[in-house]
Amino acid sequence: QQQVKQSPQSLIVQKGGIPIINCAYENTAFDYFPWYQQFPGKGPALLIAIRPDVSEKKEGRFTISFNKSAKQFSLHIMDSQPGDSATYFCAADTGRRALTFGSGTRLQVQP
Amino acid sequence: DADVTQTPRNRITKTGKRIMLECSQTKGHDRMYWYRQDPGLGLRLIYYSFDVKDINKGEISDGYSVSRQAQAKFSLSLESAIPNQTALYFCATSEPGSSGEKLFFGSGTQLSVL
Repeated sequence: QQQVKQSPQSLIVQKGGIPIINCAYENTAFDYFPWYQQFPGKGPALLIAIRPDVSEKKEGRFTISFNKSAKQFSLHIMDSQPGDSATYFCAADTGRRALTFGSGTRLQVQP
Repeated sequence: DADVTQTPRNRITKTGKRIMLECSQTKGHDRMYWYRQDPGLGLRLIYYSFDVKDINKGEISDGYSVSRQAQAKFSLSLESAIPNQTALYFCATSEPGSSGEKLFFGSGTQLSVL
């Protein structure tokens, strides 16, 4: 079974919109939650990450919101641009093995 | 030059054949990983290695084996390829970051098993 559940599977927004991608987890041992961005023909690359001791982290136009009690976290992209069109993966880690990834969200930002 | 290099980039093989996917890195990282990517399933961990003498199974290791020949090299083998092993395979390395592990992925190997 998938330990990190990601939704939606695909998302289309207009330029300037704020796409939101959601992830949920069950394993309370997870203590590190990164997001990876993947462009076609490339491997994923780290975008932003958060630890559960904070509820929000911003880096440029990208924000992670974290709700520890609900075991959910989400990625928000402010003022989205066509260049943000990519596949986004959430992930989680306990620090003792390897990252567990969500199923991915294919984002398309229309001009 | 790529820091994590996968070869080949594309491979077509037949059911029952043994094949090897190779990964080499120049980042000097101890930790290396093999993931496969399937549409709608995301990235799933096949094997990982935290150092040359440490090999661990991931969530979908059946039908696969690995070899860590050196710190810089980590190979994935399909002993007897089957069509449902058709996927995009990624090798990755990692280093501890200020918050947690940061993975560096290769460009992937697209494998088709006919």
